[in-house]
Amino acid sequence: EPEVTQTPSHQVTQMGQEVILRCVPISNHLYFYWYRQILGQKVEFLVSFYNNEISEKSEIFDDQFSVERPDGSNFTLKIRSTKLEDSAMYFCASGGSNEQFFGPGTRLTVL
Amino acid sequence: GEDVEQSLFLSVREGDSSVINCTYTDSSSTYLYWYKQEPGAGLQLLTYIFSNMDMKQDQRLTVLLNKKDKHLSLRIADTQTGDSAIYFCAETLYNQGGKLIFGQGTELSVKP
Repeated sequence: EPEVTQTPSHQVTQMGQEVILRCVPISNHLYFYWYRQILGQKVEFLVSFYNNEISEKSEIFDDQFSVERPDGSNFTLKIRSTKLEDSAMYFCASGGSNEQFFGPGTRLTVL
Repeated sequence: GEDVEQSLFLSVREGDSSVINCTYTDSSSTYLYWYKQEPGAGLQLLTYIFSNMDMKQDQRLTVLLNKKDKHLSLRIADTQTGDSAIYFCAETLYNQGGKLIFGQGTELSVKP
């Protein structure tokens, strides 16, 4: 059964550094998403992406964040200058118009 | 505003039914979802219901939706120890790019 994959599973970085989180969505899906879950808090929407552009973004998704689909299969989330409060589990999801299937997540730790 | 609420914990005995409840505030919900998260794993889509339906059944899972009270429930029949996990309720709203709004999750503990 096809599934969403994410790499790395755990990323440790220094504050101020740039990180790129990678996702391979399910191949025939058209909609792509990033969410994050800070420890002990709700899963929060970051951004949705359709037809090679952002379709919706949250207040969290400010100028330090960007998304890209560089080669038609990968879907990346870049955080330009990480802050301590960016430490969280980051989930990628892909889907059709009604369903979203999640990857296993990348745990980002900012020191 | 957009808000989805769930109780934090539920404990049941193996073989009993579990009922996990969720309330939401926004009237423009299009779909409502139940996801399951096991320790160290991602979110697994269990089932979802269109907002103009009242009920959906899928094997051991029954979803009930009361639109008037903005209340959603997930019933798991014959609960097994393998059902122990965190269960998240979520909704999508009309014209918001498919954004899922999650509750805080209900931790289900199934005792043998």
